Amino acid sequence: EVQLVESGGGLVQPGGSLRLSCTVSGLTFSSYWMNWVRQAPGKGLEWVANINQDGTEKYYLDSVKGRFTISRDNAKNSLSLQMNGLRAEDTAIYYCARVRYTYGHHDYWGQGTLVTVSS
Amino acid sequence: QSVLTQPPSVSGAPGQRVTISCTGSSSNIGAGYDVHWYQQLPGAAPKLLIYGNSNRPSGVPDRFSGSRSGTSASLAITGLRAEDEGDYYCQSYGSSLSALYVFGTGTKVTVL
Repeated sequence: EVQLVESGGGLVQPGGSLRLSCTVSGLTFSSYWMNWVRQAPGKGLEWVANINQDGTEKYYLDSVKGRFTISRDNAKNSLSLQMNGLRAEDTAIYYCARVRYTYGHHDYWGQGTLVTVSS
Repeated sequence: QSVLTQPPSVSGAPGQRVTISCTGSSSNIGAGYDVHWYQQLPGAAPKLLIYGNSNRPSGVPDRFSGSRSGTSASLAITGLRAEDEGDYYCQSYGSSLSALYVFGTGTKVTVL
């Protein structure tokens, strides 16, 4: 059974930092691109960042560039998102998801972890 | 920000057919990138419903079908059921470094 389990969300003040993790099991983690996708309360889905199989290629949504850093540890089947300089507009549920191929679909999703940025 | 436009809501009685449109541009759907669809039931994570424009993952009923033409795509649900009520999102590839993957604005499906 494929499982993606996110953790690390919580309440943080504006300007603060959080590190999200996603632990993957049941699939060959090291063979696929991985994405972070977020959903603000009551809003739609928004792609945030992605990383290639060996971590040498990383791409970010414009609004998070310079603040967020995606990384992976293939030995631990783990994906991370380091979020610094958090803003109120970063408040959302953050999902990790496997991308089936470079331009493709997200076939497996985690249950999400809620990040709330508020004073 | 969403660059794929969907109607905010569609509704239908049980057993009816509803369709959801997804309109993009020459930078995404019109550039030839595949369109995928996700179903998000209340309180749950998104679930892949259609991939590669018209393919259903294992376990997805054949009541769901997808198509793509030009800069648009559509999802059809036939034989509408109460458990289909939820939000539906299209997704394509953005080919822009500002947002590589683009999602639709989302459509709320209501079963009357």
